[in-house]
Amino acid sequence: DTAVSQTPKYLVTQMGNDKSIKCEQNLGHDTMYWYKQDSKKFLKIMFSYNNKELIINETVPNRFSPKSPDKAHLNLHINSLELGDSAVYFCASSQDPLADTQYFGPGTRLTVL
Amino acid sequence: AQSVTQLDSHVSVSEGTPVLLRCNYSSSYSPSLFWYVQHPNKGLQLLLKYTSAATLVKGINGFEAEFKKSETSFHLTKPSAHMSDAAEYFCVVTNQAGTALIFGKGTTLSVSS
Repeated sequence: DTAVSQTPKYLVTQMGNDKSIKCEQNLGHDTMYWYKQDSKKFLKIMFSYNNKELIINETVPNRFSPKSPDKAHLNLHINSLELGDSAVYFCASSQDPLADTQYFGPGTRLTVL
Repeated sequence: AQSVTQLDSHVSVSEGTPVLLRCNYSSSYSPSLFWYVQHPNKGLQLLLKYTSAATLVKGINGFEAEFKKSETSFHLTKPSAHMSDAAEYFCVVTNQAGTALIFGKGTTLSVSS
């Protein structure tokens, strides 16, 4: 009955590799988000999609590319991984872009060696 | 630009004593304000939210927060701490468009027996 799920939970990889993190929500929400939490626990929004369309794209390197195959899924693909990409990535969803309550997934801890 | 300042990075209390986590915000508009909690190695959970209705907001697990416009504050309180309250707490504000969340840097709450 998980509302927002992410896979994998942990991801350890080498610099230069390409990896993807998947997110799925079963809440019937129209809007999904990706957040990055750094080593100091600071959370910042990266992307937001509404009905499969990108509506927020913060200052994120082009190596990060979100993809939304349908409203229930928002995947994050990262090319040419760098040490600084090590963080916890959270997916979230909300009823619509202006809905203030967001529901978060459990997070994916990415470690780049 | 909107911002959120959590005045304490770490708060320690004894079980059964009151909890006060302080948050000030800066905004040129009337934002929605939230408190989220993150337990160790878990995702974020909404504790409570303020959306221009009653200034005293009650949340889950006995927490409440009071919106004070004159002081631009939204402090989180609980009358009696429980061991299970030990976690990271984030004060959050919406951006001006209302389409994204802006997080404070978090306050770590420790509860001792």
